[in-house]
Amino acid sequence: QSALTQPASVSGSPGQSITISCTGTSSDVGGYNYVSWYQQHPGKAPKLMIYDVSNRPSGVSNRFSGSKSGNTASLTISGLQAEDEADYYCSSYTSSSLFGTGTKVTVL
Amino acid sequence: QLQLQESGPGLVKPSETLSLTCTVSGGSISSSSYYWGWIRQPPGKGLEWIGSIYYSGSTYYNPSLKSRVTISVDTSKNQFSLKLSSVTAADTAVYYCARQPLITIFGVVIMGYFDYWGQGTLVTVSS
Repeated sequence: QSALTQPASVSGSPGQSITISCTGTSSDVGGYNYVSWYQQHPGKAPKLMIYDVSNRPSGVSNRFSGSKSGNTASLTISGLQAEDEADYYCSSYTSSSLFGTGTKVTVL
Repeated sequence: QLQLQESGPGLVKPSETLSLTCTVSGGSISSSSYYWGWIRQPPGKGLEWIGSIYYSGSTYYNPSLKSRVTISVDTSKNQFSLKLSSVTAADTAVYYCARQPLITIFGVVIMGYFDYWGQGTLVTVSS
């Protein structure tokens, strides 16, 4: 199993929207609507932001949204804020769990 | 509020076995609705799923680690454990435990996303 492919870094100015992509195959991302996204600040445990492609857990800001097209899933952060600066990981889950390579989001 | 806490030695010698325990509080590990998983993160690198277990003892392992990994559950203590044998420096990482809601699709049960995580514990492999 190879890790899902994410861009190494994405940046944006406060208030802007950014999108992080997560590319897999028809056996993982493309096969089922089972993609999740995690936010990780330095020295902290990952935090679930999106599950089942586009669902937000209770307490997660509606500025975070998820989608999928074919073998690529995406996380969009709208109204970018300084606190959104972190690493983000996608993951697909079926009979095993596979994480993405991770994307560092920088708020300019 | 559900909490997970990893515990175990922070230093393991090469070729020995790494052993960690995750203690669950604020909820029952015997719930039929969840799997319980281990994930690791080498310093400065990404996340890697190690394996997961159901309260009944049913397990799933990452194929790349399967030959060295054993995950077990102790429902009486509300704990599950990880053993990783024949460790090398490449196994140095922060190890996390986490809860996974169970998903049923077309009658097949699969593990879900990770919704609650422990704080993580750094394990260094060095002589």
